[in-house]
Amino acid sequence: DVKVTQSSRYLVKRTGEKVFLECVQDMDHENMFWYRQDPGLGLRLIYFSYDVKMKEKGDIPEGYSVSREKKERFSLILESASTNQTSMYLCASGDGAGANVLTFGAGSRLTVL
Amino acid sequence: DQQVKQNSPSLSVQEGRISILNCDYTNSMFDYFLWYKKYPAEGPTFLISISSIKDKNEDGRFTVFLNKSAKHLSLHIVPSQPGDSAVYFCAASDSGGGSNYKLTFGKGTLLTVNP
Repeated sequence: DVKVTQSSRYLVKRTGEKVFLECVQDMDHENMFWYRQDPGLGLRLIYFSYDVKMKEKGDIPEGYSVSREKKERFSLILESASTNQTSMYLCASGDGAGANVLTFGAGSRLTVL
Repeated sequence: DQQVKQNSPSLSVQEGRISILNCDYTNSMFDYFLWYKKYPAEGPTFLISISSIKDKNEDGRFTVFLNKSAKHLSLHIVPSQPGDSAVYFCAASDSGGGSNYKLTFGKGTLLTVNP
């Protein structure tokens, strides 16, 4: 079974803090993604990566950056957290084949005070 | 511009009856469509997919129908069970496009199955 592990399930941070969200997948997938889920807004793509050190902006990249130094690890960075970044963050990976099924992690619930 | 739309935020059905969740899309380049189910405090899990060259795909209690001319798909759950209560997301993929790695999601429909 593909496993996508997000290291922190719940975080509480203060406005202005730097936040790191870590994600690791164990199936050698080329592609990794960060989405955020907000009530009434569905899943919105922040950033994705299709190879090590490669990244592309998604639909809402402002205020975020990412890092992919190793194939299995994809990190989301909030340089200076703001209250409007309070959300559920979901990491996913996939191999891009066929229907392009993505496997998601359990999510990281971030609260910014 | 929303390319994948789920116009019903919520749906309530009785146990044992059929649940029908709907999804519309605008991008004619989409060639795969997927449904995901999400429980609170968990990540979405893949349910079923359909290729644009088909009009129906079935997996147990779950059937997805695609009407390409109307740019519309639906997920049927028969019979519905209380454990099916979750948020259902419709997603689409363009395998030939420049960003052919990503999925575009709708806003989701909260399904409640009452015992």
